[in-house]
Amino acid sequence: GAVVSQHPSRVICKSGTSVKIECRSLDFQATTMFWYRQFPKQSLMLMATSNEGSKATYEQGVEKDKFLINHASLTLSTLTVTSAHPEDSSFYICSASRGDYGYTFGSGTRLTVV
Amino acid sequence: DAKTTQPPSMDCAEGRAANLPCNHSTISGNEYVYWYRQIHSQGPQYIIHGLKNNETNEMASLIITEDRKSSTLILPHATLRDTAVYYCIVRVVRGGADGLTFGKGTHLIIQP
Repeated sequence: GAVVSQHPSRVICKSGTSVKIECRSLDFQATTMFWYRQFPKQSLMLMATSNEGSKATYEQGVEKDKFLINHASLTLSTLTVTSAHPEDSSFYICSASRGDYGYTFGSGTRLTVV
Repeated sequence: DAKTTQPPSMDCAEGRAANLPCNHSTISGNEYVYWYRQIHSQGPQYIIHGLKNNETNEMASLIITEDRKSSTLILPHATLRDTAVYYCIVRVVRGGADGLTFGKGTHLIIQP
């Protein structure tokens, strides 16, 4: 149990275009989901906290207009990277909260902007 | 959340026990010790957590010192698939309302 599906696993897009990444909790409801970014040989950095039915909370230094987050249901959160540039190339990982029972992570999305 | 210190890398022979240390000398009384691991190009995977008693599950054992200032994650019979970055995180249980803060972790390499 407690599976989080993240799609796509990898995507290549042209500079200036937008990319949407989906994160779904398959067998539980997640009021809160999180989005992380990981650059090569670095640790995961929390980008934003996504709450169902309300606006996301962004960490300091993360542009909310560039990284659009939508959490329209208890099982789905999406991250849209708008007007992507090569410096946005990274590994994006979502996580769903199971309350006091911990966190389950998606398998990640490798974004390459060319 | 209390700061943790882990060695950047460790090697272990396949089939042997892998012992990964974590120092958390500023841990407070209501903070738990969590361990996650990240296999290359995948999302992190929960391993185990504990407050002050030693814990064991199907993946690993967690040994916490009596003063709780350090802990050791033990993988009893390491396999090549255990090669990963292991993260020790110390935090209060807050009902899952906030995200995890990952340090640099320990890159464990299992040698054949």
